[in-house]
Amino acid sequence: DTAVSQTPKYLVTQMGNDKSIKCEQNLGHDTMYWYKQDSKKFLKIMFSYNNKELIINETVPNRFSPKSPDKAHLNLHINSLELGDSAVYFCASSPTPTNEKLFFGSGTQLSVL
Amino acid sequence: GENVEQHPSTLSVQEGDSAVIKCTYSDSASNYFPWYKQELGKGPQLIIDIRSNVGEKKDQRIAVTLNKTAKHFSLHITETQPEDSAVYFCAGSGGGGSYIPTFGRGTSLIVHP
Repeated sequence: DTAVSQTPKYLVTQMGNDKSIKCEQNLGHDTMYWYKQDSKKFLKIMFSYNNKELIINETVPNRFSPKSPDKAHLNLHINSLELGDSAVYFCASSPTPTNEKLFFGSGTQLSVL
Repeated sequence: GENVEQHPSTLSVQEGDSAVIKCTYSDSASNYFPWYKQELGKGPQLIIDIRSNVGEKKDQRIAVTLNKTAKHFSLHITETQPEDSAVYFCAGSGGGGSYIPTFGRGTSLIVHP
């Protein structure tokens, strides 16, 4: 009965590859997010979607492309992976765009070699 | 935009002691201040929050205080236990119509048995 689940938990890949991270929430929330946590634990918003529509894109390189097939899913596809993309990526959701209470998934640790 | 400063970056206490983590924010229009706890290998989890019309809020061993004039807020944990060991993040939102929280850089709390 996991609320926000993301897969895979670990992802190790070579520079230049393309990879995807999947996220699903069963809370019935309208809004979903992707956050990046760097090696110093800093949490930074990347994208926000409300009911499948992009509402926030925080100057993320266009190698990162989120896709929301429905409001319960928000996947993240990353092209041409670079060393600097290594981080933990968290998916989160909130009931509405104006409800600030975030529910986070358990994270995907991406290592680019 | 909002800027949230958090200190200390690391806090080490003995079991049973109190722990205090402090944050300051820059945007006087911010009106929502949550605290998240991140255990090892997990995503951040909301543990307590406070709105700008309230000065203090308590939930069992944890409490948050807010000083709007000085633009700072603090997390207080009493009677610390080893399971309180985690990284704690403060955040602020609501300024400029943005509901996306800006996070502090985190405090690693270590409770020694």
